Amino acid sequence: DVKVTQSSRYLVKRTGEKVFLECVQDMDHENMFWYRQDPGLGLRLIYFSYDVKMKEKGDIPEGYSVSREKKERFSLILESASTNQTSMYLCASSRGRGYYGYTFGSGTRLTVV
Amino acid sequence: DQQVKQNSPSLSVQEGRISILNCDYTNSMFDYFLWYKKYPAEGPTFLISISSIKDKNEDGRFTVFLNKSAKHLSLHIVPSQPGDSAVYFCAASAAGTGANNLFFGTGTRLTVIP
Repeated sequence: DVKVTQSSRYLVKRTGEKVFLECVQDMDHENMFWYRQDPGLGLRLIYFSYDVKMKEKGDIPEGYSVSREKKERFSLILESASTNQTSMYLCASSRGRGYYGYTFGSGTRLTVV
Repeated sequence: DQQVKQNSPSLSVQEGRISILNCDYTNSMFDYFLWYKKYPAEGPTFLISISSIKDKNEDGRFTVFLNKSAKHLSLHIVPSQPGDSAVYFCAASAAGTGANNLFFGTGTRLTVIP
């Protein structure tokens, strides 16, 4: 069974902390994505990557960075966490084009206090 | 600019009745459409899809209808069950686009009342 695994289901961090969210996929997918989901705003794309060491900004990249050193792993970094970054974070991967759809991880509920 | 729109943020339906979730899109290049279902504290899971060469695709209790001229698709759930209570996201894709080629709507929260 194919999987996208996010390292933490729930996380509580303090304002100003540097936060790392990890995502690993075992499907040999080229593309990986980070979204956040907030009530009434749907899924908003933060960053995506179409190859190792390649990254592209999504719709809301401010306050975030990413790292993709290996094909299977895509990390989201909150350089200095703020309360408005409290959200559900979702990682996804896809093979090539959208025809295959995206496979999502279970999500990380991040609370910044 | 939101290319995929779900104008109803929520929908309540009695168990056993039909649920109809709607989705509109603006980009005429979209040629593949998907529905995802999301439970709280879980990631979205793929539910059903349709290619633009079809106007209907059915999978058990779930049917997706596509009206290309109206740029509109809908998901029908018959009969609705309490376990169908979730947020449903519509998504659209266009051939020939790059890696980031799936555009999501804002979601509709379906509540099925026992």
